[in-house]
Amino acid sequence: EAEVAQSPRYKITEKSQAVAFWCDPISGHATLYWYRQILGQGPELLVQFQDESVVDDSQLPKDRFSAERLKGVDSTLKIQPAELGDSAMYLCASSGIGDTQYFGPGTRLTVL
Amino acid sequence: QKEVEQDPGPLSVPEGAIVSLNCTYSNSAFQYFMWYRQYSRKGPELLMYTYSSGNKEDGRFTAQVDKSSKYISLFIRDSQPSDSATYLCATRDSGGYQKVTFGTGTKLQVIP
Repeated sequence: EAEVAQSPRYKITEKSQAVAFWCDPISGHATLYWYRQILGQGPELLVQFQDESVVDDSQLPKDRFSAERLKGVDSTLKIQPAELGDSAMYLCASSGIGDTQYFGPGTRLTVL
Repeated sequence: QKEVEQDPGPLSVPEGAIVSLNCTYSNSAFQYFMWYRQYSRKGPELLMYTYSSGNKEDGRFTAQVDKSSKYISLFIRDSQPSDSATYLCATRDSGGYQKVTFGTGTKLQVIP
């Protein structure tokens, strides 16, 4: 069964350092999402791609966060510099046309 | 007011009990309704996916949508310890970019 892949699964970093997360969606899925999930809360959308284009990044803190999906397949989410409040689970999801979203296992980020 | 409200629990039940999980939403444009299950430190896993009002059954799980009262429910029959997880309700409208709004999740523990 096809799955969304994410790496790393865990990341510990110090504040002010840069971190990057990678996501490989299910093959053929044109839409890719990055979510942030704080412990005890539901996922909140950070950025949504349709192929290589950003269609929604209204909740992305653009002063420190960036995301790209250069060839419309895999994607990278970067934080620079990381802050203590960025500690969370970062989830990637993908969907096909008219389909629901399928999530990857997530990257748990701890900022010290 | 959040667009999707969900009782965070935790909810603790004995094995074999019937579990009822509920959410309310405020946006009448929402047409699609999902339930995700999320085990600790893992990504959400799609459980049920329904369109508009009505019931949908899948094994021990039944999803119910009442659009007139903007109320969605998930029933779990014969609950098992392996059902212990956080359950997230989610909704989306029929717009082109499939934006999904999640509830905060209800943590369920099924005691053997």
